[in-house]
This record gives sequence, structure tokens and C-alpha cells, in this order.
Amino acid sequence: QKEVEQNSGPLSVPEGAIASLNCTYSDRVSQSFFWYRQYSGKSPELIMSIYSNGDKEDGRFTAQLNKASQYVSLLIRDSQPSDSATYLCAAQYSSASKIIFGSGTRLSIRP
Amino acid sequence: EAGVTQFPSHSVIEKGQTVTLRCDPISGHDNLYWYRRVMGKEIKFLLHFVKESKQDESGMPNNRFLAERTGGTYSTLKVQPAELEDSGVYFCASSQGSGYIAEAFFGQGTRLTVV
Repeated sequence: QKEVEQNSGPLSVPEGAIASLNCTYSDRVSQSFFWYRQYSGKSPELIMSIYSNGDKEDGRFTAQLNKASQYVSLLIRDSQPSDSATYLCAAQYSSASKIIFGSGTRLSIRP
Repeated sequence: EAGVTQFPSHSVIEKGQTVTLRCDPISGHDNLYWYRRVMGKEIKFLLHFVKESKQDESGMPNNRFLAERTGGTYSTLKVQPAELEDSGVYFCASSQGSGYIAEAFFGQGTRLTVV
């Protein structure tokens, strides 16, 4: 079993709708979680970080963490074509440990 | 403030040659990570420095890969001798050492092609 799992997609969402990206992790000791956005041929760009159960909002983005279910999600409201990219979920045990990435979900926002 | 910088951005070498990749982390960041993405695959962890010390090198593929971090500043990743399967994009990331959560920021990557 992979440590961080994501559906590879592609996930197609109409412009203006809410895109919902999901991620599960296998290691219960993971404490911090991250969402990165990666455009084709570019490096991963940090969007959100979360370590407490519940929701964390930043602009159009909301990260949700449920440690009991070992589940992390990212919601993108009012989706724009520029949101089309691969979204990477990542988990970390502590601030001084390695970060493990999922394989990413390809998101496509259709006009 | 400068972000994480990597050099070179691209490198094409022949099988059996040596290549050295360099990463300059964000100033003040104690954590430095090396990752690799092979075509179509996920980003794989290679190793993690805390300052000048190797905290975790469990992801290093074999002894052809050697990473160093001089004085806890920049880091180099040497591949010697390079093999065809070493081709991919090598990313470096850095984060601060303190705090409950350490957000890591990535460099632009080095695309290595071994022919």
C-alpha cells in the first residue's frame, strides 16, 4: 500500500464549479499535510498546509483534514481554467522528517 | 528573498559520465530535500539534510548517488557513473527547521537526460 494515495484522474470540472480533490494516507503518525500544484514542466508550488482536524481556508482554496479517517481533501471554489494542473498531496511526520508525495491528480477545468 | 535555485536547469550526458547537480536553498532553511521524478511516475524522495547532516537517505537508489551539503548551505548531488535509468527531473526543496509544520518550497528542478 502506498503511503499517500490519490486518484490520478483526470478530473474534469466546468469553469465556476467546485473542484474536489481527495487523498488518503496510510501512516497514522503523519501529522502535517500539504497540497502542491504542478503545471506541466514546472516545479511543485505549495498551495496549502494543514495539521489540525477540520477545515482551513485560503482564498478560493479550502483544505480539509480528517485524521480519524486518514483523509485529506482540497476544495477549489469558482474553478478557473488556470487551475488546470496536477495537484499533489503530501504527508510529513514532523517538521524534521521527509515529505512523502502522492502520485497526483490531474485536474482539468473546462470553459 | 530568493527562492530555491537549482543548477543546471538541463543536463544531457552519456552513460558512464559523471554529473553534479547543485541546489541553493532559501537562506536560513535548515531542511534540504532532494527528490526525483521519472517520466510518468510520482515524485520520489531521495534524501533529507538537516543543516549539514544527512537526516534520512533511505531514498537514495544506490551508491552511484552521492549527496553533500557543505557547511549547511548549498547541496550537491553527484551521479557517478550515470546510467540510462537515472534520467528524470531532480528537484530540491527546503524548509525551516523550527515549528510544528515546515512548509517546503521547491526549486525549478534539473532535467537530467542520460543517453
